[in-house]
Amino acid sequence: KNEVEQSPQNLTAQEGEFITINCSYSVGISALHWLQQHPGGGIVSLFMLSSGKKKHGRLIATINIQEKHSSLHITASHPRDSAVYICAVRERLGNEKLTFGTGTRLTIIP
Amino acid sequence: DGGITQSPKYLFRKEGQNVTLSCEQNLNHDAMYWYRQDPGQGLRLIYYSQIVNDFQKGDIAEGYSVSREKKESFPLTVTSAQKNPTAFYLCASTGLAGVSEQYFGPGTRLTVT
Repeated sequence: KNEVEQSPQNLTAQEGEFITINCSYSVGISALHWLQQHPGGGIVSLFMLSSGKKKHGRLIATINIQEKHSSLHITASHPRDSAVYICAVRERLGNEKLTFGTGTRLTIIP
Repeated sequence: DGGITQSPKYLFRKEGQNVTLSCEQNLNHDAMYWYRQDPGQGLRLIYYSQIVNDFQKGDIAEGYSVSREKKESFPLTVTSAQKNPTAFYLCASTGLAGVSEQYFGPGTRLTVT
């Protein structure tokens, strides 16, 4: 069973700072997801990636398959970025199941 | 707009009662999922369904039951056999199973006293 670990568990930063959240997993995967959960509880999918790098606005996600590691970066952070960021992995193509990390709680202070 | 709806957002029940959580999607997705979220833990899969009239147990199916009579609907029943039912429950769906992003509903927070 894949173990998914995120770091840090909690992160507080000033508005404008560059943010990095890390995710490591133990078994080879076909895809990795980054999700965002706001205080109300709803979850939004940010990225799904299997190699390289993806960018959407101020968010950048990278993955290193050999090192079994992914990072989520936020540039020019803003208080509205405050949320829990969750990493999840799918072990093989066609597998229904995702294994989730416990999340990183990000707080951006104005 | 297409999406997933879950109702109600908050649900309170007495111990020993069964309760059914609703999940409806209009995304025309084949696969649907139920997850449970507890403080300090990652989401855990309860049940999932890839097609109408078929579903599989996830990692923590004991004390729960589901049905998939329609493509759009995947209700979850929390039975009295579930020992710790108080949790946040999330429904999700995906289009092409295994290769697409999962879309999540807003969740239902169940409190059993």
